Amino acid sequence: DIVMTQSPDSLAVSLGERATINCRSSQSVLYNFNNKNFLAWYQQKPGQPPKLLIYWASTRASGVPDRFSGSGSGTDFTLTINSLQAADVAIYFCQQYYSTPFTFGGGTKVEI
Amino acid sequence: QVQLVQSGAEVRKPGASVRVSCKASGYSFTAYYIHWMRQAPGRGLEWMGWINPNTGGTNYAQKFQGRVTMTRDTSIGTAYMDLSRLKSDDTAVYFCARVEYNGGWHPSDPWGQGTLVSVSS
Repeated sequence: DIVMTQSPDSLAVSLGERATINCRSSQSVLYNFNNKNFLAWYQQKPGQPPKLLIYWASTRASGVPDRFSGSGSGTDFTLTINSLQAADVAIYFCQQYYSTPFTFGGGTKVEI
Repeated sequence: QVQLVQSGAEVRKPGASVRVSCKASGYSFTAYYIHWMRQAPGRGLEWMGWINPNTGGTNYAQKFQGRVTMTRDTSIGTAYMDLSRLKSDDTAVYFCARVEYNGGWHPSDPWGQGTLVSVSS
């Protein structure tokens, strides 16, 4: 199984500042045949299901504000939240969908 | 809009079984896989397996082999996840999610609202 390791576990950021979350996979999730990284980021607020934010490592899902961005390739990935808003307080998870079993990072709690 | 609506919370005793349903709407039910995940209180997300609603084919995580069964009813656009021989550490919120597959997997989107299964004597 591919192990996903996220850091940090939690992060306190001032309103309007930047939050950076890291995710590392135990093996590459880059598929050579289409040059895509099978890596997604999700946002989860209390009592809600995860919501897709970023897929293919850097493509924003429909309706996601452009202050959210994803980067990285192979085994190392980053989610950046620019100009943090109060509505961004949540837990963020990375997920690899390169192969089953799909696996998730342990989550990063972002607070103000 | 595309939506997955799950059944309500369940309480079971250890050793019992539980069924969680996931009703799809807003898209062709047989064109996308349904994956099941769970999240224990204060814990991360754990993938349980998938079902192909078109063929009924399934693939389960090794951890749940022999205890989980995923089925579907195409006439009502609903997928089911049965978990047997429940233990206290099966207490979790169970999620279904729609996943596209076309030679490779796509991300899980959307997710159902979640179903809390509590196992306690």
